[in-house]
Amino acid sequence: EMVMTQSPVTLSVSPGERATLSCRASQSVSSNLAWYQQKPGQAPRLLIYGTSTRATGIPARFSGSGSGTEFTLTISSLQSEDFAVYYCQQYNNWPRTFGQGTKLEIK
Amino acid sequence: EVRLLESGGNLVQPGGSLRLSCAASGFTFSSYAMSWVRQAPGKGLEWVSGISGNGVGTQYADSVKGRFTISRDNSKNTLYLQMNSLRAEDTAVYYCAKDWWVSDNWGQGTLVTVSS
Repeated sequence: EMVMTQSPVTLSVSPGERATLSCRASQSVSSNLAWYQQKPGQAPRLLIYGTSTRATGIPARFSGSGSGTEFTLTISSLQSEDFAVYYCQQYNNWPRTFGQGTKLEIK
Repeated sequence: EVRLLESGGNLVQPGGSLRLSCAASGFTFSSYAMSWVRQAPGKGLEWVSGISGNGVGTQYADSVKGRFTISRDNSKNTLYLQMNSLRAEDTAVYYCAKDWWVSDNWGQGTLVTVSS
């Protein structure tokens, strides 16, 4: 099973600053990597797929990069609504697997 | 508008069974694979199972293989998850999600609690 490891577990950033979240795969997933945002009591929301393609309605401040085993989600200027938990997910292999999540909190 | 509505969650004893349903609307259900993803209380997301649009292809996480069965009824636009031999570690909110590549539509989830 593909293991996805996210870092850091918790990230404290001030509004208006940049946040950089990392995701590492135990083996190559090509570009088949997605990012989701989840707020308390809500279902996950797709942000990025194909490593770098924003989903419908996702603001341009969210960007994804990487390939193979190393991936990054960058939020260029944090807004209050961006503080949440973020998960990466690979869809290159079965079973699909998620990272353990990064909690983005207000500094 | 795509809508996914899960139901069937409940309190069940260890070793028991439960069937979850997910009613879909707003898209051509039979054209899309579907998935179940769960989230234990205070924990992260765990992909559980997926099924192809025609119901022929199925996939499972190792943690549920042999105990859970995914199925669908395209005439009713409904996805199912039959869960047998339930364990305490199966306690979670279960989400259905559109597609088994990336999921841009999710239900609000149904809570399954396995406890004596």
